[in-house]
Amino acid sequence: DAGITQSPRHKVTETGTPVTLRCHQTENHRYMYWYRQDPGHGLRLIHYSYGVKDTDKGEVSDGYSVSRSKTEDFLLTLESATSSQTSVYFCAISEGGMAKNIQYFGAGTRLSVL
Amino acid sequence: KNQVEQSPQSLIILEGKNCTLQCNYTVSPFSNLRWYKQDTGRGPVSLTIMTFSENTKSNGRYTATLDADTKQSSLHITASQLSDSASYICVVSLQTGANNLFFGTGTRLTVIP
Repeated sequence: DAGITQSPRHKVTETGTPVTLRCHQTENHRYMYWYRQDPGHGLRLIHYSYGVKDTDKGEVSDGYSVSRSKTEDFLLTLESATSSQTSVYFCAISEGGMAKNIQYFGAGTRLSVL
Repeated sequence: KNQVEQSPQSLIILEGKNCTLQCNYTVSPFSNLRWYKQDTGRGPVSLTIMTFSENTKSNGRYTATLDADTKQSSLHITASQLSDSASYICVVSLQTGANNLFFGTGTRLTVIP
């Protein structure tokens, strides 16, 4: 998985609890992304980062926040998890912006919100 | 509206046979088109990336074609193997904008012995 580690790989939580997912890369790529994947939908971008402390919203950012304090780590936080956030979350990285650069994906985190 | 549609949704073929997956898009202005393979329980892995000027690109037994005029792409798999069982995702990139990737919902391929 291209030097990308997502943790945890599986998590079950209850509605209303905070959840943080971690993405760690060893490739020193500038760009990092968080996607969610749901049946019947293509991968949807939640947030992305183009450098340390530089982040921007994606298509489905409501209810999510991110932080990037180091090049290698990108955290996704669900402040108060809801059942609609049950999904598989993928982290991705790329050397340059997403338009012209291949993205490399992690193995995913399966999150269930009960 | 920028969209990527893939067909069929699912496909079952016998080991050793060939198959072709389709991708139609309405994304404009077009930058490039990518095919990813996603094994069950794993993240997507890039197979090919094609720009406007490229008609065909191969990666082993995988050959992708692109017709930018009709906005269609296909992924042809030759002499299928059991390990080809996966979802195949078509992704189209816009030339401009910050959030400029459009993902298809994928074709689920099952190769049976």
